[in-house]
Amino acid sequence: DTEVTQTPKHLVMGMTNKKSLKCEQHMGHRAMYWYKQKAKKPPELMFVYSYEKLSINESVPSRFSPECPNSSLLNLHLHALQPEDSALYLCASSQSRGLSTDTQYFGPGTRLTVL
Amino acid sequence: GNSVTQMEGPVTLSEEAFLTINCTYTATGYPSLFWYVQYPGEGLQLLLKATKADDKGSNKGFEATYRKETTSFHLEKGSVQVSDSAVYFCALSLSGAGSYQLTFGKGTKLSVIP
Repeated sequence: DTEVTQTPKHLVMGMTNKKSLKCEQHMGHRAMYWYKQKAKKPPELMFVYSYEKLSINESVPSRFSPECPNSSLLNLHLHALQPEDSALYLCASSQSRGLSTDTQYFGPGTRLTVL
Repeated sequence: GNSVTQMEGPVTLSEEAFLTINCTYTATGYPSLFWYVQYPGEGLQLLLKATKADDKGSNKGFEATYRKETTSFHLEKGSVQVSDSAVYFCALSLSGAGSYQLTFGKGTKLSVIP
């Protein structure tokens, strides 16, 4: 099973709202990722967690706050977002061996619209 | 730095036509190479991968061969179907520092018409 699940599928929020995106995998992977994808563009890496510790933060604004409560779950907390943050947010996971051969498996994404 | 260049398209083909999407890369070291596919409104799915020179990845009729001498990983399919309409991303990954980072090409949109 190579499934990564994400909820919700769609989210509409105002600029003053607080919301969270959730991601789950049961493949025993110890690396989990958040990506942001704008229309007609490739995904852009936001955060990487390895063994539940934040290992990469690609200079993402603080209005995005990641959390990895356990090895299977990854959250992205959203607060005071801007309309330009509207995008598809993708979660991915992989084994955490630090090898180029590790494959990242992606979830279906959450389509976020900020009004 | 590391980079991936792929033909941007869009590419429009008739059903049963032959498909080639070109992908070349620049990398320091020996990367693994991937093709991901994204169907409309969905996330990315791994299509195939190759981890060393001369490896051929294949899946669902798609193939790509890791060519170190030309730094290429072109995607091919002998006979496309309407259901192959999607955006295709070529990507590379390197071991060591930054090993968790995939470097993507810009994506190629394929439309297959009946």
